[in-house]
Amino acid sequence: EAQLVESGGGVVRPGGSLRLSCAASGFTFDDYGMSWVRQAPGKGLEWVSGINWNGGTTGYADSVNGRFTISRDNAKNSLYLQMNSLRAEDTALYYCASSSGSYYKLGYFDYWGQGTLVTVSS
Amino acid sequence: DIQMTQSPSSLSASVGDRVTITCRASQRISSYLNWYQQKPGKAPKLLIYAASSLQSGVPSRFSGSGSGTDFTLTISSLQPEDFATYYCQQSYSTPLTFGGGTRVDIK
Repeated sequence: EAQLVESGGGVVRPGGSLRLSCAASGFTFDDYGMSWVRQAPGKGLEWVSGINWNGGTTGYADSVNGRFTISRDNAKNSLYLQMNSLRAEDTALYYCASSSGSYYKLGYFDYWGQGTLVTVSS
Repeated sequence: DIQMTQSPSSLSASVGDRVTITCRASQRISSYLNWYQQKPGKAPKLLIYAASSLQSGVPSRFSGSGSGTDFTLTISSLQPEDFATYYCQQSYSTPLTFGGGTRVDIK
């Protein structure tokens, strides 16, 4: 069965950086697009970024564009999110989620990790 | 960006009730609409994709309908394990967007 396990969250000061990782298993990772979705405490879901199966195409929400970078290493079955210039409003639980197809824009999120918490605070 | 508006934002219902949640898109999205269920402290779970297709393993009391801008998630007979928050999500264009959620709790 597919499994996604996020790591790398923690407490960081405003303006700081953090790198999240997501380890995938139980499915052919390099066949599928992947995304990061976040949820601020007590709030709804927000798509953050997505990447196609081969890493050739990426996309970002306006709120993180220019500050966050998504990447993947298919040889390691891993997804990453480099987060720079962090702000208080980036505080959230960050989920990695797999798309139902090769392109992150299409389809739906069929598998989700348990999330990793990022807290931006001075 | 496509805005997704869910209504109501919360509702109270009893076991056995028929529950309907509505999701409206700010522009036409064909059938590129998905529904998720989230329980407290848990990751979202896919229920319905492409507006009306039931995800494998999801009970048949859940159903989805609609196309264009107006969509509906229906729970035909609410069960105790269905008390949760439900989100719609469009996959018609980026940025991918979610509705604000509908919390279903016990009356």
